[in-house]
Amino acid sequence: EPEVTQTPSHQVTQMGQEVILRCVPISNHLYFYWYRQILGQKVEFLVSFYNNEISEKSEIFDDQFSVERPDGSNFTLKIRSTKLEDSAMYFCASSERDSTTDTQYFGPGTRLTVL
Amino acid sequence: KNEVEQSPQNLTAQEGEFITINCSYSVGISALHWLQQHPGGGIVSLFMLSSGKKKHGRLIATINIQEKHSSLHITASHPRDSAVYICAVWIWVAGNKLTFGGGTRVLVKP
Repeated sequence: EPEVTQTPSHQVTQMGQEVILRCVPISNHLYFYWYRQILGQKVEFLVSFYNNEISEKSEIFDDQFSVERPDGSNFTLKIRSTKLEDSAMYFCASSERDSTTDTQYFGPGTRLTVL
Repeated sequence: KNEVEQSPQNLTAQEGEFITINCSYSVGISALHWLQQHPGGGIVSLFMLSSGKKKHGRLIATINIQEKHSSLHITASHPRDSAVYICAVWIWVAGNKLTFGGGTRVLVKP
């Protein structure tokens, strides 16, 4: 069964450093999402992406964050200058159609630790 | 203000018992998802529904749009059902983003 993959599974970085989290969505999916989950807290929506542009973003997704689909298969989340509070599990998800009508498939997550 | 509330927060059941998890939301939605988060952190989508009832194996999800309420039922529970179950909704008036409940931690004892 096709699945969403994410790399790395765990990333440790120093505060102020840039990190790029990578995702490979399911190949025929058109809608892509990033979420984060701070340890012990709810999952939070960050951003949705369709047709090579951001379609929705949350208040968390400020200028420090960016997303890109550089080559038609990867979907990346970049954090330009990491803060301690960016430490969280980051999940990528994709869906074939708009998720108001379709199931989202989640990747296994990347645990980001900012020291 | 929590737009999506789940109850209970924690639930312990004996193997074979019938389990019900509730989700209430306070705003208009396009659709509701039930998700399962494994102890390792991975998230699996169980159901997406906008009306009525869906069944998959031992899992049943129902939604009442008028009452802004959904339930997830697990019949004949098994220790492998132990996980966190999360309700998430598409709030159509707030830019159509997925908003998550806090989850219900389920432990099924053998």
